[in-house]
Amino acid sequence: GAVVSQHPSWVICKSGTSVKIECRSLDFQATTMFWYRQFPKQSLMLMATSNEGSKATYEQGVEKDKFLINHASLTLSTLTVTSAHPEDSSFYICSGGEALNQPQHFGDGTRLSIL
Amino acid sequence: LAKTTQPISMDSYEGQEVNITCSHNNIATNDYITWYQQFPSQGPRFIIQGYKTKVTNEVASLFIPADRKSSTLSLPRVSLSDTAVYYCLVGVSNTGKLIFGQGTTLQVKP
Repeated sequence: GAVVSQHPSWVICKSGTSVKIECRSLDFQATTMFWYRQFPKQSLMLMATSNEGSKATYEQGVEKDKFLINHASLTLSTLTVTSAHPEDSSFYICSGGEALNQPQHFGDGTRLSIL
Repeated sequence: LAKTTQPISMDSYEGQEVNITCSHNNIATNDYITWYQQFPSQGPRFIIQGYKTKVTNEVASLFIPADRKSSTLSLPRVSLSDTAVYYCLVGVSNTGKLIFGQGTTLQVKP
């Protein structure tokens, strides 16, 4: 079945650092991918829609300058958390599907801890 | 996007059938229904998707009544490893966007 790989799975860094998270579709092409954030014991919150070759669209309340999304190819989307602070610590998850009406496949998430 | 409502938690015992019902009163004509399973510190895993009537795969069945305002995920003979959070989502076919509700935490006991 379709596989989405996310890297890194875990990162710890100092406050003020920028962190890049990669999301790859391994056996299919994804013109659209999605980024979510999940805090402990809470549900996933959709952050943005990543569109191949064009700008991402962000959900209300998500700072586009804080969370930079790049979708330069049909198999790779990246999320960069710029100037990260402790409140940005969370579990970040991406998803992609073979078509918009097909099931989304999720990566295994990236645990981000900002000290 | 249609809002979904499902029980916050459920308990079951090994070997039992578990049915989780989700309501989505505002589902639109082109929306589809999909269910995911999530274990701690992992991304959600796709279980099943349907539009109407009944869908069955190797792990679950999905029952959708004619009015499509609700759906029921059926897990046959659960085991301890089925302890997880189960999410019911309504997806929009022209955007692929999924909005997660609170999910149902299923606890399977020995």
